[in-house]
Amino acid sequence: KQEVTQIPAALSVPEGENLVLNCSFTDSAIYNLQWFRQDPGKGLTSLLLIQSSQREQTSGRLNASLDKSSGRSTLYIAASQPGDSATYLCAVYSGAGSYQLTFGKGTKLSVIP
Amino acid sequence: GAVVSQHPSRVICKSGTSVKIECRSLDFQATTMFWYRQFPKKSLMLMATSNEGSKATYEQGVEKDKFLINHASLTLSTLTVTSAHPEDSSFYICSAEGVFTNTGELFFGEGSRLTVL
Repeated sequence: KQEVTQIPAALSVPEGENLVLNCSFTDSAIYNLQWFRQDPGKGLTSLLLIQSSQREQTSGRLNASLDKSSGRSTLYIAASQPGDSATYLCAVYSGAGSYQLTFGKGTKLSVIP
Repeated sequence: GAVVSQHPSRVICKSGTSVKIECRSLDFQATTMFWYRQFPKKSLMLMATSNEGSKATYEQGVEKDKFLINHASLTLSTLTVTSAHPEDSSFYICSAEGVFTNTGELFFGEGSRLTVL
């Protein structure tokens, strides 16, 4: 059974700092991995999707990497801003007929002005 | 990008009543929709997978008679919480997989917060 772990559970950084969020998964047989953002009381916003054959994806100040063999992904946020404050969720998609998307518990990020 | 709309965003009901939550894919056809539940400070839990025109597949531990799912068209799935109790209070989120994509990317609704008094 796939398990996804995100460390740290919470992170507080001053504005302008670069930061890294970590995600690890136990079963490397994945179809893809997605990073989401969730604001309080809101649904999920997809940030980046990395296919199992890819090593990284970039969107603006965000860069996500994937090391399938070691079961790890990182989300790098450059020059953090207060508007980046949210909970960031990592989810692994097993695919291949199984539509199970396994989520981590998330990392709550606070960017202090 | 693809848009998934959920309605209502918030609902408060009395114990014993039933509540229906709708999930619509606005600009694409979704062969498969998923319903998740999120408890406070916990990760999302998949409740069931809904395929258009067929019965939903429920995850272990999810009562199918309590959480009725209907996927009548390629753009609409509904979740009905029957005879709701306070322990059903939660944040429910739907997602949809489009027929146009083979990347496995899912698009999520904004979520519906249910409070049962």
